[in-house]
Amino acid sequence: RKEVEQDPGPFNVPEGATVAFNCTYSNSASQSFFWYRQDCRKEPKLLMSVYSSGNEDGRFTAQLNRASQYISLLIRDSKLSDSATYLCVVNRGNQFYFGTGTSLTVIP
Amino acid sequence: GAVVSQHPSWVICKSGTSVKIECRSLDFQATTMFWYRQFPKQSLMLMATSNEGSKATYEQGVEKDKFLINHASLTLSTLTVTSAHPEDSSFYICSAHRPSQAYEQYFGPGTRLTVT
Repeated sequence: RKEVEQDPGPFNVPEGATVAFNCTYSNSASQSFFWYRQDCRKEPKLLMSVYSSGNEDGRFTAQLNRASQYISLLIRDSKLSDSATYLCVVNRGNQFYFGTGTSLTVIP
Repeated sequence: GAVVSQHPSWVICKSGTSVKIECRSLDFQATTMFWYRQFPKQSLMLMATSNEGSKATYEQGVEKDKFLINHASLTLSTLTVTSAHPEDSSFYICSAHRPSQAYEQYFGPGTRLTVT
């Protein structure tokens, strides 16, 4: 079983829409969780860390459910500039495990 | 934020030659660096974990004699693709682990390798 599973999409949504991505992880000993954003032909950039209490940064909300071992990312009021691939990343010890990424295209 | 640089940003080489890629952490010391490879429309695949002062740990299926990793200092790791072939053409990305920052890792800008 893969360490991290993510729906690859693609998600095509109109501007202003709300879109949610989910990600599941297989090892309950996983310690830290992140969402990264990757634009085409660029390196991944940290979008936000994910905490059990949930955290929000502007239009982005991330949530961690340890009991069910899943992580979510909610994007409200989508902008054209949100179009990218969103990577779910799980850390355990010195290792980082990546999901396959979810492709988002925001349409005018 | 932390900065990680990579050099070169892109390289074209002929089959059979070797290519060295450098990864540097510019404003922090990284005892651990990671090397990834990404093919078009695929996610990052971890190749190896580079530990300062010791041998790298390679993922299953990655040939250590083909992808030579040297982590000679706390700010520099190098990946050498030896006897490159067209199938080695890919986007190679390094990252550095900064434990003091909630176990985040910082990515270099990547190196696009094309082997002709």
